[in-house]
Amino acid sequence: KNEVEQSPQNLTAQEGEFITINCSYSVGISALHWLQQHPGGGIVSLFMLSSGKKKHGRLIATINIQEKHSSLHITASHPRDSAVYICAVSGNTGKLIFGQGTTLQVKP
Amino acid sequence: NAGVTQTPKFQVLKTGQSMTLQCAQDMNHEYMSWYRQDPGMGLRLIHYSVGAGITDQGEVPNGYNVSRSTTEDFPLRLLSAAPSQTSVYFCASSTMNTEAFFGQGTRLTVV
Repeated sequence: KNEVEQSPQNLTAQEGEFITINCSYSVGISALHWLQQHPGGGIVSLFMLSSGKKKHGRLIATINIQEKHSSLHITASHPRDSAVYICAVSGNTGKLIFGQGTTLQVKP
Repeated sequence: NAGVTQTPKFQVLKTGQSMTLQCAQDMNHEYMSWYRQDPGMGLRLIHYSVGAGITDQGEVPNGYNVSRSTTEDFPLRLLSAAPSQTSVYFCASSTMNTEAFFGQGTRLTVV
């Protein structure tokens, strides 16, 4: 069993829809990261969380430490949100353990 | 700040050749790491470092070597390239309290 599990693996949405991607982990962590990767592109950090909730524009990330679960929400989705979203966790060494990623396609 | 600079962006090697992937950061981050990304396997840790002079193995270290002589630089050496090392490689840096910053990636093909 992977230490970081994401769901769903693939997601297709219509423009404007509310999107949720889930991440569960089974190891102790210092922080949880949400990353974005466009096709053929680099990896960009969206959020780093150790507790509670963070919001950047239309993106919201939450974490429940007791349940070892995090969610990434995208409100009013747009075709430019189409990308792979990756959940990762880190301890006290900076190394990341990644989920398998969620491929999101937002159709106009 | 340039962030994390990773070179080259593309490379083709013949089996048995050696090469070094360069990674440099200008943010004074103590943590640096190398990952490879393969279809169906996701991102996997090759080697990491928690500071100058300190390195350790990750999940898939065989065939790779690293050193960290300065805080800024963390090169990854392929000792004798094999087709199984065809992959996209990412370098990343961070501190305990910051998000991870990634290099642009190196697409390596070993023929």
